[in-house]
Amino acid sequence: KAGVTQTPRYLIKTRGQQVTLSCSPISGHRSVSWYQQTPGQGLQFLFEYFSETQRNKGNFPGRFSGRQFSNSRSEMNVSTLELGDSALYLCASSNLNAGSEQYFGPGTRLTVT
Amino acid sequence: GQNIDQPTEMTATEGAIVQINCTYQTSGFNGLFWYQQHAGEAPTFLSYNVLDGLEEKGRFSSFLSRSKGYSYLLLKELQMKDSASYLCAVRDPYQRGATNKLIFGTGTLLAVQP
Repeated sequence: KAGVTQTPRYLIKTRGQQVTLSCSPISGHRSVSWYQQTPGQGLQFLFEYFSETQRNKGNFPGRFSGRQFSNSRSEMNVSTLELGDSALYLCASSNLNAGSEQYFGPGTRLTVT
Repeated sequence: GQNIDQPTEMTATEGAIVQINCTYQTSGFNGLFWYQQHAGEAPTFLSYNVLDGLEEKGRFSSFLSRSKGYSYLLLKELQMKDSASYLCAVRDPYQRGATNKLIFGTGTLLAVQP
């Protein structure tokens, strides 16, 4: 079974631009969560989607948004990029509504210059 | 709010046993996870505790005491490849209904020395 895939793996953008990151969960998984990982803050929750609905949202500004498609694939978008948005963005998928382990993808390394 | 505390760094010797502690302060509880993350890689699931007691999985064991807000990860017969960051996370107990939202500690960087 293929694991969680994320594209692109690396991305360099400049301040003010926007970016879209993609996540394909493990086949059959309907829950997708996004996390931002930085050296100073560790892993912080961004959003969670289940069956195309955003179930939870973390404490990030409105520049961060996401969505989930009918095939469970998910995208997140960051508009008006700031230097502080440089981070590893991780996607995790789960095969149950809740209460099960989550499988992480390799992440997208975003660098904002 | 929620607070999860772990030691920042630990060092241990190959073949030895190491215990990584995690304490959490939340007014509710909805499950605790341990993940391993090698540098530059994604976190990988190690264990899940929702009831008090010890869960054993090969060289790795995880313990939970809900009354004390405390968990530990025990690694036996340490190998060089166990050098990694170990992340403690709790499922957010404040969300109504089902959720997979995890709140992570900052992680413990374990260095295994020969």
